Amino acid sequence: AQKVTQAQTEISVVEKEDVTLDCVYETRDTTYYLFWYKQPPSGELVFLIRRNSFDEQNEISGRYSWNFQKSTSSFNFTITASQVVDSAVYFCALPYYGNNRLAFGKGNQVVVIP
Amino acid sequence: SQTIHQWPATLVQPVGSPLSLECTVEGTSNPNLYWYRQAAGRGLQLLFYSVGIGQISSEVPQNLSASRPQDRQFILSSKKLLLSDSGFYLCAWSVAGPPIYEQYFGPGTRLTVT
Repeated sequence: AQKVTQAQTEISVVEKEDVTLDCVYETRDTTYYLFWYKQPPSGELVFLIRRNSFDEQNEISGRYSWNFQKSTSSFNFTITASQVVDSAVYFCALPYYGNNRLAFGKGNQVVVIP
Repeated sequence: SQTIHQWPATLVQPVGSPLSLECTVEGTSNPNLYWYRQAAGRGLQLLFYSVGIGQISSEVPQNLSASRPQDRQFILSSKKLLLSDSGFYLCAWSVAGPPIYEQYFGPGTRLTVT
């Protein structure tokens, strides 16, 4: 069965510090996608990235970067030079193949202190 | 572009009253549709999902029900609300799969049952 573990519950950083969020997953699928979402205080979940298991290259988008390591079943997310607007809950997710659902982790609460 | 709407944004209802939350999607056809609940804490609980008109899969036994009367309309209902139904309700859509692609979320409805 699919499982996503986000062990860190709440992480506090001072503005401009970097923060890395860990996501470890379990799947029996040989090919799969992985996702990260951001949930700001307003509540709406915002899709950040989709990564195919075929592609292990790191991804960078502005201050966000993702490190996918299939060998350790991890898909970690780093925010560089954090800003107050980065304060949110971040979710990692993995599809259940064939039945249209996503398995979400419990989320990481990031608090950026000005 | 695709847009997802949810209403109402907030709702306060007494115990035992009925509930109807509506979700509509624009700009896509034959989407998969999902209802989630986020109670105290951060976890996302999948309540229902639908792959087509009239096709509803229930994930958790409860006093809630869902219907999909039109291709891009998804309704969450209850005949009699319980205190435990309080929470943040999120509707989401995705492209029909497999493979399972990312889900896009609506702004959510905050329900308080008193």
